[in-house]
Amino acid sequence: GQQVMQIPQYQHVQEGEDFTTYCNSSTTLSNIQWYKQRPGGHPVFLIQLVKSGEVKKQKRLTFQFGEAKKNSSLHITATQTTDVGTYFCAATNTGNQFYFGTGTSLTVIP
Amino acid sequence: KAGVTQTPRYLIKTRGQQVTLSCSPISGHRSVSWYQQTPGQGLQFLFEYFSETQRNKGNFPGRFSGRQFSNSRSEMNVSTLELGDSALYLCASSPYLAGIYNEQFFGPGTRLTVL
Repeated sequence: GQQVMQIPQYQHVQEGEDFTTYCNSSTTLSNIQWYKQRPGGHPVFLIQLVKSGEVKKQKRLTFQFGEAKKNSSLHITATQTTDVGTYFCAATNTGNQFYFGTGTSLTVIP
Repeated sequence: KAGVTQTPRYLIKTRGQQVTLSCSPISGHRSVSWYQQTPGQGLQFLFEYFSETQRNKGNFPGRFSGRQFSNSRSEMNVSTLELGDSALYLCASSPYLAGIYNEQFFGPGTRLTVL
């Protein structure tokens, strides 16, 4: 079954507000990836985190991997309407099993 | 390079029938993974093939099967279709085993409707 939980499931924000989605696992992860799926589209790779405590930035997006390698977050600063979509984390556990998180659907209100 | 292609893009079947979906990965990619996406269940992993061998399998009944050819193209088959099989079926390719420090490149998906 699903081993990677993602919260929140849905998030509505006013344009310009910040947004954060969290990915949590009960087991230690080897790495974590983040994907974005636009409405009607397919998932597109955003980034991969491998190291404990790793932080990576892509313009307004900040990705973190927890110190214990059991959780991760994606933070978007000053959301824009182009940020609309569903954000998925995808994790590999130490047994090399690969799972997608449940996803967070982001709606940005202009 | 051309992206991942999936055929057909849309399919309508009736209960009890079987269906075969096709996926052509990016040239040079040896791993092909299949996912089922539904509004209620999100992205569920079906199986992964690498060098013509099934390397990982998700928690789906035996009605779901797949294979990979020597050119890395992959097919998945669903037999005895049920209404609950209606979903978007996504294929993803990567150079090596999925999740092992490799991003996956997704195709546009096949929308299957079972009536």
